[in-house]
Amino acid sequence: DGGITQSPKYLFRKEGQNVTLSCEQNLNHDAMYWYRQDPGQGLRLIYYSQIVNDFQKGDIAEGYSVSREKKESFPLTVTSAQKNPTAFYLCASSQSRVDEQFFGPGTRLTVL
Amino acid sequence: AQSVTQLDSHVSVSEGTPVLLRCNYSSSYSPSLFWYVQHPNKGLQLLLKYTSAATLVKGINGFEAEFKKSETSFHLTKPSAHMSDAAEYFCVVSDQYNNNDMRFGAGTRLTVKP
Repeated sequence: DGGITQSPKYLFRKEGQNVTLSCEQNLNHDAMYWYRQDPGQGLRLIYYSQIVNDFQKGDIAEGYSVSREKKESFPLTVTSAQKNPTAFYLCASSQSRVDEQFFGPGTRLTVL
Repeated sequence: AQSVTQLDSHVSVSEGTPVLLRCNYSSSYSPSLFWYVQHPNKGLQLLLKYTSAATLVKGINGFEAEFKKSETSFHLTKPSAHMSDAAEYFCVVSDQYNNNDMRFGAGTRLTVKP
C-alpha cells in the first residue's frame, strides 16, 4: 500500500528545544516538500528537495532545517530559532516538480 | 509571481443542492491548476487538476472545474452536495516561470446542512 507517512501525529515541545518531524514515502517519488499550515491560511512552503542530497529553501525556511540522505525520507527539524513554531506541518511528494503532489496526514506541533 | 484568490472563505449549502467554490488566479504563463480537499486534521487529497488539456476537468466524488482563461478563473462545482463533502478546499496554481512552486489559496470551508 503506497503512500506517505508522517510521525508523530502530535508533538509537544518546550521553548528552546529542537524537534524533528519524520516523513517517509514509498511512492518512489523524486521530489519531496514540507509545508506549514496555520489556521485560516493556505499552505506555505518551507523546504523542498528534487533529488537525494539536494534541497532548496522555500518561502519560510528561517528556523527550519532538512536533510535528504535517502530518496524515501525527508525529515524536518524545527529549531529553537523558529519564533512561532506552533502549526500543522504537512509533508508531500511528487514524481517531479511539475506533477501533482501527494500529501501525508500531517504533524501538529505545539510549543508549550 | 503567480497567486490564487479564493473568493469565499466559507460556503454553506444544503444537502442535495449545487456547490460552487470560486477561485481566481494570476499567472504570467500557462498555469497548472489544482483543487485539493482537506478534512479536519488530515492531509490534502487531490480532487482534480488542469494542465492545458480540456478546459472542463472532471475529478473525484462528482466534482468538476472549468478553466476560463479570459476570466482567469478555475471554479469548482458539484451538482448535488453530500454531507461527506464538508471540508476545506484549496485552489492551487503553479507555472514553470516560478520554478513550478505551488501557490495555495487561503482555502474555502464548505459546510453542508442536512
